[in-house]
Amino acid sequence: KAGVTQTPRYLIKTRGQQVTLSCSPISGHRSVSWYQQTPGQGLQFLFEYFSETQRNKGNFPGRFSGRQFSNSRSEMNVSTLELGDSALYLCASSLRQGGNSPLHFGNGTRLTVT
Amino acid sequence: AQSVSQHNHHVILSEAASLELGCNYSYGGTVNLFWYVQYPGQHLQLLLKYFSGDPLVKGIKGFEAEFIKSKFSFNLRKPSVQWSDTAEYFCAVNADGNNRKLIWGLGTSLAVNP
Repeated sequence: KAGVTQTPRYLIKTRGQQVTLSCSPISGHRSVSWYQQTPGQGLQFLFEYFSETQRNKGNFPGRFSGRQFSNSRSEMNVSTLELGDSALYLCASSLRQGGNSPLHFGNGTRLTVT
Repeated sequence: AQSVSQHNHHVILSEAASLELGCNYSYGGTVNLFWYVQYPGQHLQLLLKYFSGDPLVKGIKGFEAEFIKSKFSFNLRKPSVQWSDTAEYFCAVNADGNNRKLIWGLGTSLAVNP
């Protein structure tokens, strides 16, 4: 069974630009969660999608948004990039909604904002 | 706000040494607890989890963790580490009053010297 696939692996953007990250979950998984990982803050929950609906949201500004398609694939968008958005963005899929279903992570997208 | 503390940020051990990584959380209600591991160059993966029942849970690769409710702790242990256990270890907690969002510790980097 293929794992969680995130594209692209690396991105370099400048301040003010916007970026879209993509995540393909494990086949059959309907929940997709997004996390921001930085050395100082660790893993910070961004949002969770299940059946194309955002079910949960972390404490990030509205510049961070996402969506999920009917095939469970998900995209995350960050607009008006700031230097502080530089991080590893992780996507995780799970069978069920909510934090109790084991998460299967992708390798992440490394975003660098200059 | 709920939080998860991992006391050891960096641990260095020799092979065959015993390991204990601390994890404490701040929430008085029902919790579900997880340890995830990230080996070098690989994605995060579930090591073990506790939902209910026997507070001593066993995971993959000889790891175990003990839930001590009175101490709000879920420490990870392994009697004899191997070089291949070199990785980053994350504790995560899902509290029933937290809208099913996982709260993560900052992680502990373990280096095992051969």
